[in-house]
Amino acid sequence: DAKTTQPNSMESNEEEPVHLPCNHSTISGTDYIHWYRQLPSQGPEYVIHGLTSNVNNRMASLAIAEDRKSSTLILHRATLRDAAVYYCILRALSGNTPLVFGKGTRLSVIA
Amino acid sequence: EAGVVQSPRYKIIEKKQPVAFWCNPISGHNTLYWYRQNLGQGPELLIRYENEEAVDDSQLPKDRFSAERLKGVDSTLKIQPAELGDSAVYLCASSFRDRGTGELFFGEGSRLTVL
Repeated sequence: DAKTTQPNSMESNEEEPVHLPCNHSTISGTDYIHWYRQLPSQGPEYVIHGLTSNVNNRMASLAIAEDRKSSTLILHRATLRDAAVYYCILRALSGNTPLVFGKGTRLSVIA
Repeated sequence: EAGVVQSPRYKIIEKKQPVAFWCNPISGHNTLYWYRQNLGQGPELLIRYENEEAVDDSQLPKDRFSAERLKGVDSTLKIQPAELGDSAVYLCASSFRDRGTGELFFGEGSRLTVL
């Protein structure tokens, strides 16, 4: 499986935007970029995913570099509830391939 | 709609004892996953089912771990005998094959402590 590289931890002030980076230099043409997050004492939950174009949903935005070797998850206004571990995962196009998790980025939000 | 339900949430046992975890996936989801998460690490896949068939169990330590998914709905994961290194959170997830994003829905997990 193609691997991703994320910072171990990041910190943000409440109500400020947060940009969580992810490098995936060995991404293949059929790999989607998925983001999941894991709140304390919870299972991971889906945040967003994309292939080539930038994506927006109610939770976040995903900005994908033109060469697809990196991406950034954007939380527009961080809240205390956004404190979690964020995982950037590459997932093949076809079928129900399992998610392969790395260590993710632990985001702390300061009030 | 109910989410993925797991039980028990917490289990403390002594080493060499058996333990079992139960998972009820979201209704209609035909793919079920068991992951193990060690402290400070991301989840690692143990086994994946498509309906009642285990299609990927390459990471399941088969000497002491077993899993089943009878009738393609509920699933159980068993460890016998448990070892100290099995202390972890065991996560169950489900998804609907070939629909939408293939998003995985996770349960809250079962935290195992082996003494």
